[in-house]
Amino acid sequence: AQSVTQLDSHVSVSEGTPVLLRCNYSSSYSPSLFWYVQHPNKGLQLLLKYTSAATLVKGINGFEAEFKKSETSFHLTKPSAHMSDAAEYFCVVSDWVSSYKLIFGSGTRLLVRP
Amino acid sequence: DGGITQSPKYLFRKEGQNVTLSCEQNLNHDAMYWYRQDPGQGLRLIYYSQIVNDFQKGDIAEGYSVSREKKESFPLTVTSAQKNPTAFYLCASTLRGQNTEAFFGQGTRLTVV
Repeated sequence: AQSVTQLDSHVSVSEGTPVLLRCNYSSSYSPSLFWYVQHPNKGLQLLLKYTSAATLVKGINGFEAEFKKSETSFHLTKPSAHMSDAAEYFCVVSDWVSSYKLIFGSGTRLLVRP
Repeated sequence: DGGITQSPKYLFRKEGQNVTLSCEQNLNHDAMYWYRQDPGQGLRLIYYSQIVNDFQKGDIAEGYSVSREKKESFPLTVTSAQKNPTAFYLCASTLRGQNTEAFFGQGTRLTVV
């Protein structure tokens, strides 16, 4: 069975400091993993996806995520937070083998202090 | 440009009425999904469809209905049986296969008045 757990419901950082948003997954087979961002009252935008070609995945807006199979983690990072990064972030695993359901984490709200 | 379009952006419903939310995609995606989002909460799956003329219930299907008569379209009807329909509704689509990301519409905010 597929599942995903986002370990923090809220993360608060100062502008210019690093961001770490944590995600652990469970998958019966090779996982299909994604990070999405949602600004208020908007749809979701893809930040990055894991494709098994590389364990360190680079996304848009300076975000990266590292796939660690031994830890079943796919944490999202950014070296320096910007005020515009304040949003809700979702870690997603896809059940691409059978149902094609998208399984969402509960989300992490990122607050950026000036 | 290819994309996924939801309409309307805002919708108001009176008690006891059915309303239909539109979702159209021109990405040639096989699978389509409807999610409900409540304030401070994640996304909950209402219905999904892998192919035309077939769809499956998600985690919170009660009070909702869908159809998939065309590949491009996946409308969601919120029926009067849905007791608490006020929420933000998101539609998504994806190709089938590993590492294929979902594309999302901009959402419809439904309010019961």
